[in-house]
Amino acid sequence: DAGITQSPRHKVTETGTPVTLRCHQTENHRYMYWYRQDPGHGLRLIHYSYGVKDTDKGEVSDGYSVSRSKTEDFLLTLESATSSQTSVYFCAISEQPGAAKNIQYFGAGTRLSVL
Amino acid sequence: AQKVTQAQTEISVVEKEDVTLDCVYETRDTTYYLFWYKQPPSGELVFLIRRNSFDEQNEISGRYSWNFQKSTSSFNFTITASQVVDSAVYFCALSEGGTGANNLFFGTGTRLTVIP
Repeated sequence: DAGITQSPRHKVTETGTPVTLRCHQTENHRYMYWYRQDPGHGLRLIHYSYGVKDTDKGEVSDGYSVSRSKTEDFLLTLESATSSQTSVYFCAISEQPGAAKNIQYFGAGTRLSVL
Repeated sequence: AQKVTQAQTEISVVEKEDVTLDCVYETRDTTYYLFWYKQPPSGELVFLIRRNSFDEQNEISGRYSWNFQKSTSSFNFTITASQVVDSAVYFCALSEGGTGANNLFFGTGTRLTVIP
């Protein structure tokens, strides 16, 4: 199993509060991703990182920011949580795009409830 | 624009029956990759298979087999002699092979229930 740890695994918070989710990997993979999973939508990409301090937006990035100060850590921040951000959040990692090494491996997920 | 369609929302089969999960994709890229992931009731996502657009060979792994047909833009997944442990949500996903991080575009998933 890929060494990916998401924390916390469960969180309940109130509307308007800031929330930070952490993804930690021990594989030294260059690429890291944050997805959200909602019923009827499958998984959708929020942000991704292609190296330390290098990040870009995905399909549903509004209301989210990310940071990557070390290869092993990728943080997802909800600056002011809203009820529409209630979801299950997955982190994924991959070695590099293209050819043999673009398989994404996923963490166990974080269930976030915004009340 | 890229798109993945899994038209079957839920499927129920009796144990030992064969079942096929459909996946239809859209992309303008000539280089792309197709994936299947399994999400059991415990919630984690488990990688099952990846195919690239230049390799249309079907693949078999134990009771699992995959049929990739570029002519119909389909990448279907068959489970032979289903077992209760196969009960899960299965996702098909597409990654385009151009520049960038090869982000995954997922279908909405098919929930498979295998009845003992």
